Amino acid sequence: QITLMESGPTLVKPTQTLTLTCTFSGFSLSTSGVGVGWIRQPPGKALEWLALIYWDDDKRYSPSLKSRLTITKDTSKNQVVLTMTNMDPVDTATYYCAHSYYDILPFDYWGQGTLVTVSS
Amino acid sequence: DFVMTQTPLSLSVTPGQPASISCKSSQSLLHTDGKTYLYWYLQKAGQSPQLLIYQVSNRFSGVPDRFSGSGSGTDFTLKISRVEAEDVGVYYCMQSMELPPYSFGQGTKLEIK
Repeated sequence: QITLMESGPTLVKPTQTLTLTCTFSGFSLSTSGVGVGWIRQPPGKALEWLALIYWDDDKRYSPSLKSRLTITKDTSKNQVVLTMTNMDPVDTATYYCAHSYYDILPFDYWGQGTLVTVSS
Repeated sequence: DFVMTQTPLSLSVTPGQPASISCKSSQSLLHTDGKTYLYWYLQKAGQSPQLLIYQVSNRFSGVPDRFSGSGSGTDFTLKISRVEAEDVGVYYCMQSMELPPYSFGQGTKLEIK
């Protein structure tokens, strides 16, 4: 059974750096084809993809946010970490992590999401 | 970037009646490998999105067969043959033809009459 869970601060101040951790079970990020991605959703708005990391450490970033994002993995801990710098109130959103299998099944299993509010 | 446009943005359907959602891509989603990288997700109220359909027409594990996907190139459709109360939520299409980025549509809200 694949499960994912996001954790991190619920409130960050403008200009601060956000660090989110996705802890998962039921699969390994050392298995060929497996990836973990991050997607966010501002309140009442649509989904926006942020970043994805594959088993071979291939990393992909949203072009519009690439300069602010870093995604890393710790295979031994079954965790993926996303950092986003220079946070702004417009970054207020629910942040989800999700499992992917190659490009065949992107985001087939999702975490429950974590709401991050950016406010001073 | 690929722009995904969904219509309608909302629809209200009587239980037992069919429903249809359109998704149009700004560019063809047909890859040189012969596959078409179009996906459908459903986000129920207060829940995470769930994958319904992958590569245009393949139902993901556990998805009822009243859900079907069709289309090619730039035009795609998600159909629900007989809407049930549990189908309420926001439906999103997504492309992974050209990466990055993965591009989602703006969402279609399905309500029950």
